[in-house]
Amino acid sequence: DTGVSQDPRHKITKRGQNVTFRCDPISEHNRLYWYRQTLGQGPEFLTYFQNEAQLEKSRLLSDRFSAERPKGSFSTLEIQRTEQGDSAMYLCASSSMTGGGTEAFFGQGTRLTVV
Amino acid sequence: QKEVEQNSGPLSVPEGAIASLNCTYSDRGSQSFFWYRQYSGKSPELIMFIYSNGDKEDGRFTAQLNKASQYVSLLIRDSQPSDSATYLCAVSGGTSYGKLTFGQGTILTVHP
Repeated sequence: DTGVSQDPRHKITKRGQNVTFRCDPISEHNRLYWYRQTLGQGPEFLTYFQNEAQLEKSRLLSDRFSAERPKGSFSTLEIQRTEQGDSAMYLCASSSMTGGGTEAFFGQGTRLTVV
Repeated sequence: QKEVEQNSGPLSVPEGAIASLNCTYSDRGSQSFFWYRQYSGKSPELIMFIYSNGDKEDGRFTAQLNKASQYVSLLIRDSQPSDSATYLCAVSGGTSYGKLTFGQGTILTVHP
């Protein structure tokens, strides 16, 4: 396993279109996180899963955003009716809860541009 | 008050010097602390984590944690131009249970 994998790496979409991103975590990791990062800012938490259960979703997250992890493996993040303000890097990370702490490892990210 | 704050940058140090990056956090319930390095256009890379008060050393990197002062720092000894990146501080536990809350990052430039 070479790490967290995200697809696509880049996405350009027109305002109002729906987009879906995929994340494949490190295989033995049971936690999966989605973050969003804009230029000059740290990653902003969106949501996370433990196995297939979505344990927390940011209160700042619009209802246009939805995430799934149906079998506790890969996850998808969908943005409906995209807006220009959705343009950002979307980061996926995974971690294992077999030990203390939450050392999370990030994928390469998906850069979304809404035009 | 932001949950995690990092010293404003950018920070510029000469090659071979010690770079000191600082971070404070507001939630006393925070239990785990992380430093990530992020090169321009790339995703964050975990370089250090610390859970207990005191120092933790890994090669040229030393993380320092003071829970009483709600302060965590990263020292980079013998800084190299390849260390030039944005350094992100993150905390977990307390109100950030199960997830990481990040600071805004500090840009470090190491000049030859």
